[in-house]
Amino acid sequence: AQSVTQPDIHITVSEGASLELRCNYSYGATPYLFWYVQSPGQGLQLLLKYFSGDTLVQGIKGFEAEFKRSQSSFNLRKPSVHWSDAAEYFCAVGLSNTGKLIFGQGTTLQVKP
Amino acid sequence: DAGVIQSPRHEVTEMGQEVTLRCKPISGHDYLFWYRQTMMRGLELLIYFNNNVPIDDSGMPEDRFSAKMPNASFSTLKIQPSEPRDSAVYFCASTPHGGHTEAFFGQGTRLTVV
Repeated sequence: AQSVTQPDIHITVSEGASLELRCNYSYGATPYLFWYVQSPGQGLQLLLKYFSGDTLVQGIKGFEAEFKRSQSSFNLRKPSVHWSDAAEYFCAVGLSNTGKLIFGQGTTLQVKP
Repeated sequence: DAGVIQSPRHEVTEMGQEVTLRCKPISGHDYLFWYRQTMMRGLELLIYFNNNVPIDDSGMPEDRFSAKMPNASFSTLKIQPSEPRDSAVYFCASTPHGGHTEAFFGQGTRLTVV
């Protein structure tokens, strides 16, 4: 069965420090992978997506993610975190041809001043 | 485009009452999804439509839940009767087509059943 695992429920980093959020997926076919961000009381906003091609994808707000098929991973990174990045981050796998999304449990990011 | 529009943003209702959540997808999008977000279960897909036709409702938790899409610009999710365990944030999302596209989410409806 398809699944997405985000091992870290909560992460705290200092402002200006680098960030990596982990995501592992289980899916039998070629995965379509997404990272979404949710600020408190808001909907989900797409940060970036991977469908095919270059395994390092760039997104909005300075985020990037790297698809590693051998590790079934799609980790999100940012070189320097800003206080406004504090939010909940969701990794998701899209099921081909349907658009259905399977989400991970989410990682809450706290940014220390 | 104004994006996916959901109403109401917040709903508080008493147990046993009927609740109707509404969604207006982005114009031209063929797929519409209803998700539910809870602390215990995270984000889970309830049902999705393609060209106004329900395709997969396997995520609908019980017969108390029903969803309709009478036209391309409107969908409803109804809970009758509502129970406290239905308290959650319900999101609607739309995509132009399945597969190679991102889903655009509405702001969600926070439902509290007391």
